[in-house]
Amino acid sequence: DTGVSQDPRHKITKRGQNVTFRCDPISEHNRLYWYRQTLGQGPEFLTYFQNEAQLEKSRLLSDRFSAERPKGSFSTLEIQRTEQGDSAMYLCASSLEVNTGELFFGEGSRLTVL
Amino acid sequence: GQSLEQPSEVTAVEGAIVQINCTYQTSGFYGLSWYQQHDGGAPTFLSYNALDGLEETGRFSSFLSRSDSYGYLLLQELQMKDSASYFCAVLGGYQKVTFGTGTKLQVIP
Repeated sequence: DTGVSQDPRHKITKRGQNVTFRCDPISEHNRLYWYRQTLGQGPEFLTYFQNEAQLEKSRLLSDRFSAERPKGSFSTLEIQRTEQGDSAMYLCASSLEVNTGELFFGEGSRLTVL
Repeated sequence: GQSLEQPSEVTAVEGAIVQINCTYQTSGFYGLSWYQQHDGGAPTFLSYNALDGLEETGRFSSFLSRSDSYGYLLLQELQMKDSASYFCAVLGGYQKVTFGTGTKLQVIP
């Protein structure tokens, strides 16, 4: 097991385009989280899955953001009609169902919107 | 909602001890975690407190007081490689994990 992997690691796009990020969690982990992080700030919660069920989505997100985890394994985060303010690092993390308080993070997908 | 407060920056001398505090307000609470993040890297887990008291893991210790909604991370025998950002995070209702804004620690010779 190589840990949480995210793809792509870097994405540069023009304003108005759609982008999609993929996250492959650690295989036995049934919880999956998406965060957004900008320079000098902490990870900002976006959404969370337990298996294939999306349990919570941040009110900070507009309808341009959507996430799926169709079979309870990998997940995708799509941003439609990107804006310059969407430029950030998008982090995925996974964890076991037991409350150990430990999230395992991927290396992130850095988005730059021109 | 949930909010966590930490000092934004701390500077300490190599070999010394530093304490990073975290106060939180949350609608549900299971425990408090601490993460380390080096520039350009991903956050990595350091410790988790579900109950009141001190948890020790090598040079790092973490403390929790549930009644005061307060915790801290204690780093001993500071090394240059400890220079990083440190985040507290609350495991709250529905297993949502909310992070603080982080404390940037600079270790100087």
